[in-house]
Amino acid sequence: SQQGEEDPQALSIQEGENATMNCSYKTSINNLQWYRQNSGRGLVHLILIRSNEREKHSGRLRVTLDTSKKSSSLLITASRAADTASYFCATDPIQGAQKLVFGQGTRLTINP
Amino acid sequence: KAGVTQTPRYLIKTRGQQVTLSCSPISGHRSVSWYQQTPGQGLQFLFEYFSETQRNKGNFPGRFSGRQFSNSRSEMNVSTLELGDSALYLCASSSLSGRSYEQYFGPGTRLTVT
Repeated sequence: SQQGEEDPQALSIQEGENATMNCSYKTSINNLQWYRQNSGRGLVHLILIRSNEREKHSGRLRVTLDTSKKSSSLLITASRAADTASYFCATDPIQGAQKLVFGQGTRLTINP
Repeated sequence: KAGVTQTPRYLIKTRGQQVTLSCSPISGHRSVSWYQQTPGQGLQFLFEYFSETQRNKGNFPGRFSGRQFSNSRSEMNVSTLELGDSALYLCASSSLSGRSYEQYFGPGTRLTVT
């Protein structure tokens, strides 16, 4: 089963609004990464947050990590039509297979 | 720097055939990972190669194999294709062995098995 579970599965908002996506995972991790995927194309790395960090910013992106709750959130502020994409969290588990484990993703639609 | 390239971009094969997909990583990157993406199973890790050695392998049958060349280019091969192998196959490169570092993805190869 997937390590990361995104919530919601789909989100539709108006341009200019903020979008928040959540990711929950099951086992202890070294780091958590967020990726964006435009329809049927490759993934683009957005941000990496390590297990000893609580919050990171990159432009209009803000990521938080709560290791006690095994959850992370991605906030996109002042959304734009170009932000329409699927967003995935990927976790790097401390134990088990040494691979990134992706969640099922959140499909974000920004309406003009 | 040029990004990760994958060839071909689209492929249609028949059940029972075999297929080889190619991935050229970003110059200087030594790690290449392969993923399979389907609507039902999402993104699943296939394997990772680093300096021509397979470092990690996902839970896929032996029909799925890969290799990496001295110039870090990688190929994956799927033999005896099944309908369920229809998917978007993505490769990703990173400068170091992949999971703790950001990965740079190629555009993918869309494989359709009929």
